[in-house]
Amino acid sequence: EVHLLESGGGLVQPGGSLRVSCAASGFTFSSYAMNWVRQAPGKGLEWVSAISGSGGSTYYADSVKGRCTISRDNSKNTLYLQMNSLRVEDTAVYYCAKVHNYGNSFDYWGQGTLVTVSS
Amino acid sequence: SYELTQPPSVSVSPGQTASITCSGDKLGDRYVCWYQQKPGQSPVLVIYQDFKRPSGIPERFSGSNSGNTATLTISGTQALDEADYYCQAWDSGTVDFGGGTKLTVL
Repeated sequence: EVHLLESGGGLVQPGGSLRVSCAASGFTFSSYAMNWVRQAPGKGLEWVSAISGSGGSTYYADSVKGRCTISRDNSKNTLYLQMNSLRVEDTAVYYCAKVHNYGNSFDYWGQGTLVTVSS
Repeated sequence: SYELTQPPSVSVSPGQTASITCSGDKLGDRYVCWYQQKPGQSPVLVIYQDFKRPSGIPERFSGSNSGNTATLTISGTQALDEADYYCQAWDSGTVDFGGGTKLTVL
């Protein structure tokens, strides 16, 4: 059974940094692209970043480009999102999501980890 | 970025058919998928590649995509279908979500 477990969320001051992680199990992690999607309180879903199975290709939303870095450790079956220069508007639940076999969609999601940016 | 537009809310009576639209420029040229999200829960994929249902998703969920509009249709809507629904499209490594539609079953 596929399982995705995010961790690392918390309270951080504006301008600070935080790294969130996603531990994956139940599938061949290195064979699948992974993504981060966030959801601000009471708002809709917003795609943040994607990484290929090998880690060789990465993609970012304009809203986080230059401030966030996605990475993965296939030996540990873990996905990461390093977030720097955090802003109040980055406050959200951050979900990791596995790309479907056929691509173009996310077939499994974690439970999310809350990142709160506030002074 | 690519904009996907959904109606903020749709209401349907139990047992009736609910249709939720998602509009975007030449959307029919892209694959569209749909997610259901209930309060306090993570999103669940209900339709992928325009009309395909993942295993475990009831047959009452169907999808279509043509021209500038994709549609999620829920036939024989049940109270447990009340949720937020998001469309999503993918292009060249980036992902776009619609703003979401709150489906109310009343």
